[in-house]
Parts: sequence; structure tokens; C-alpha cells
Amino acid sequence: DAKTTQPNSMESNEEEPVHLPCNHSTISGTDYIHWYRQLPSQGPEYVIHGLTSNVNNRMASLAIAEDRKSSTLILHRATLRDAAVYYCTSNNAGNMLTFGGGTRLMVKP
Amino acid sequence: DVKVTQSSRYLVKRTGEKVFLECVQDMDHENMFWYRQDPGLGLRLIYFSYDVKMKEKGDIPEGYSVSREKKERFSLILESASTNQTSMYLCASSFPSGLNYGYTFGSGTRLTVV
Repeated sequence: DAKTTQPNSMESNEEEPVHLPCNHSTISGTDYIHWYRQLPSQGPEYVIHGLTSNVNNRMASLAIAEDRKSSTLILHRATLRDAAVYYCTSNNAGNMLTFGGGTRLMVKP
Repeated sequence: DVKVTQSSRYLVKRTGEKVFLECVQDMDHENMFWYRQDPGLGLRLIYFSYDVKMKEKGDIPEGYSVSREKKERFSLILESASTNQTSMYLCASSFPSGLNYGYTFGSGTRLTVV
């Protein structure tokens, strides 16, 4: 199983960009990289996923290193509502996602 | 709006009781999953199912069983609840592997066993 490593917590100021890093050095060539976030008292919600190329959607951007051993979730302008735990994960055999501890993002006004 | 619905937000049960946690999805997803979430331990997979009447053990199946009689419904059963099963339980669903869509999670059931 690909193991992911993330910082326990990060801080950001409101309206500034946030770069959330993730290391996944054991990822296999066909595993997708997924990001989820969990707001307080809610289940995780899907943010973005990708394989090799950088990806953009309305929530965030995903930058994947050329060797695929790391990726960065980019929130272009953090808002207070982006304060959450962000999980980086990848799918192993059978489309199962294994979640680590995630990064707790704190956004300061 | 697509949804995964968990039948209860909060539950309090007594030690030794048989507990049923229900999960229903309306997205015609083949895959369904049960996780538990505890502080400092992240989300841990209990059981998952690829199809009706199919089930596979996850990382921590001991003390739990599951049932999937219909595609849209996946039930988690605590055969004899114990205090160490006090936790947040999360249900999720997804399309099959190969399509690499994300998971959709329910809002969770916070179970307290006293």
C-alpha cells in the first residue's frame, strides 16, 4: 500500500494562497493521488485527484511532481471556511483509499 | 444532489447490545465502505463491499460484521457492543476501481457505548 506523509498542521492567513504538501514515495505507477478535506463535525469530502498531470477544479489545484513521489494541494485564496483537516491519499488495489492523519489547516483572519 | 445518508447522527448503546448502523446511497455506486475515525488514528477501514452480497474485511474487522442485501444499502453490525467501539463511524461509496472517481462520504454516526 502506498503510504502518504503530511505535516500535522499548517497555518495560513485569509486571502493568501496555501500550499499543502504530501509525500507518497511508494506510490505505484497506476495509483491516483486523491485529496479530501474534513470540516468539523462532517464526513470527508472529495477535493481533487490526479495521476501525472497537474489538475485544476473550482475548489483547488493539484501539482504532482514529475517523479510522482510528492504532490501539493494549492488553495489559491484561503478563506475561513477552508479551515479543515486535509487528507492526501492514493488508491491501492481494489480502489480502496487508506487515510493517514492529514494536515489540520488553520486560517487566520 | 448526490448523497450518502447515515441513519443516525448520534447513538448511545449499552455494552453487550447488538447495534446496527445503516447507510444508504443514491448514486448507483457499486462500492461501499465502512470506516471508523478516532483521534490520532485517522480513518481506519472496517469492511467494504464491491457488490450486493459481497463483503471484504478491511484493516480492523474484529467485532464487526456487515450486510449488503441491496445495492444502495450497506449495514454495519456490532454483534456485542463494547466500550472500545465508541467512535465516529463513516460510510462511503464510490464507482468501481478503474474509473478512479472519488469517494462520497456520509456525515457520520457518533456511537457511544456505555
